[in-house]
Amino acid sequence: DTVLTQSPALAVSPGERVTISCRASESVSTLMHWYQQKPGQQPTLLIYLASNLESGVPARFSGSGSGTDFTLTIDPVEADDTATYYCQQSWNDPLTFGSGTKLEIK
Amino acid sequence: QVQLQQSGAELVKPGSSVKISCKASGYTFTSYDMHWIKQQPGNGLEWIGWIYPGNGNTKYNQKFNGKATLTADKSSSTAYMQLSSLTSEDSAVYFCARSDGYNRFAYWGQGTLVTVSS
Repeated sequence: DTVLTQSPALAVSPGERVTISCRASESVSTLMHWYQQKPGQQPTLLIYLASNLESGVPARFSGSGSGTDFTLTIDPVEADDTATYYCQQSWNDPLTFGSGTKLEIK
Repeated sequence: QVQLQQSGAELVKPGSSVKISCKASGYTFTSYDMHWIKQQPGNGLEWIGWIYPGNGNTKYNQKFNGKATLTADKSSSTAYMQLSSLTSEDSAVYFCARSDGYNRFAYWGQGTLVTVSS
């Protein structure tokens, strides 16, 4: 299975820029997607195909990368961005998710 | 608007089975794959498999072969997942999610909590 590795946690202040990384154990081309999940809620899609902003998602969110290294950037961070962020690949079978990065806003 | 409404929480005994549902509305049910995803408490997300309601075709994560069975009822626009031979490891929140292009999930159900306990 394709393992997606994310750093477990980050803490930033409002107004700062934050980058969340996701490294794949093998190439996933650009078939990488990013989700935000708040406690007790379902995930919501932020970025699809590595760099495409999902409709309705603020332009503060952006994504980049290809192959094995991907990044989700939030700039500027707001208090409401407190959540866990997951990457998900759909290039290889089975589909897999990263373990999540918990973002705390100080 | 697209909505996926899942059935309520279940408390089930070890060794038993449970069937949870996901009722779709706001789009043509038979035109999109429906996926199921597991989330154990405090843990990440694990893909179980998908069903294409248009013809009933399914694909499973090998890990869930024999554990999960996906079905769909076109007449009621409802997808189902049955979990069998339940153990404590099956205690989790289970989500249905509609797949758009390239197996990205723009629409999710609210989740169904399954608790396996005697």
